[in-house]
Amino acid sequence: QVQLVQSGAEVKNPGSSVKVSCKASGGTFGSTGISWVRQAPGQGLEWMGVITPFFGTTNYAQQFQGRVSITADESTSISYMEMSSLRFEDTAVYYCARDRGAIDGFDIWGQGTVVTVSS
Amino acid sequence: SFDLTQPPSVSVSPGQTARISCSGDKLGERYISWYQQKPGLSPELVIYKDSERPSGIPERFSGSNSGNTASLTISGAQAMDEADYYCQAWDDSPSWVFGGGTKLTVL
Repeated sequence: QVQLVQSGAEVKNPGSSVKVSCKASGGTFGSTGISWVRQAPGQGLEWMGVITPFFGTTNYAQQFQGRVSITADESTSISYMEMSSLRFEDTAVYYCARDRGAIDGFDIWGQGTVVTVSS
Repeated sequence: SFDLTQPPSVSVSPGQTARISCSGDKLGERYISWYQQKPGLSPELVIYKDSERPSGIPERFSGSNSGNTASLTISGAQAMDEADYYCQAWDDSPSWVFGGGTKLTVL
């Protein structure tokens, strides 16, 4: 059974960048996508973007376009989410999830990575 | 893109039926997924394709979707079902949209 294992917590200064990884353990990405979702403290889920490594395609939520880059390495089954120009309000838990598409949703989630933006 | 609207909270007594709604324009024309999230944990898929249950999800969880409203129903709610629930749909913009979440209290 595939598990998604994310990198550890990060503390960053405002204006810097952060890169979070998500490794598919016990399997590969296959033809599915990997979506990234964040959750600010006490708030709901916010979709950031998706990559489909097999097809090499990405889509981003409008509010993250230009500031977030999602990549994937099929050979290692790792996806990365990099966010630049960090602001205090980017403090959140960042999740990756296996994206089965419009019909089947997100069936596997990573454990989450806490990113704290603080001066 | 479009919006998905959920009630902020729903409260039921143990053994009662809990219903959580998710509304949006012509929602019945899209497929809906539902996620359960307990404090400190990652979300978990409990319903996909409007009414399908993933392996391991109890039969008391069911879903429906018609018109402008989708619903998650928990028949015979238990204390362990106390959690936040989120609906989700795909928008053709293209992007995923989540509802704002509903806190289910079972007491």
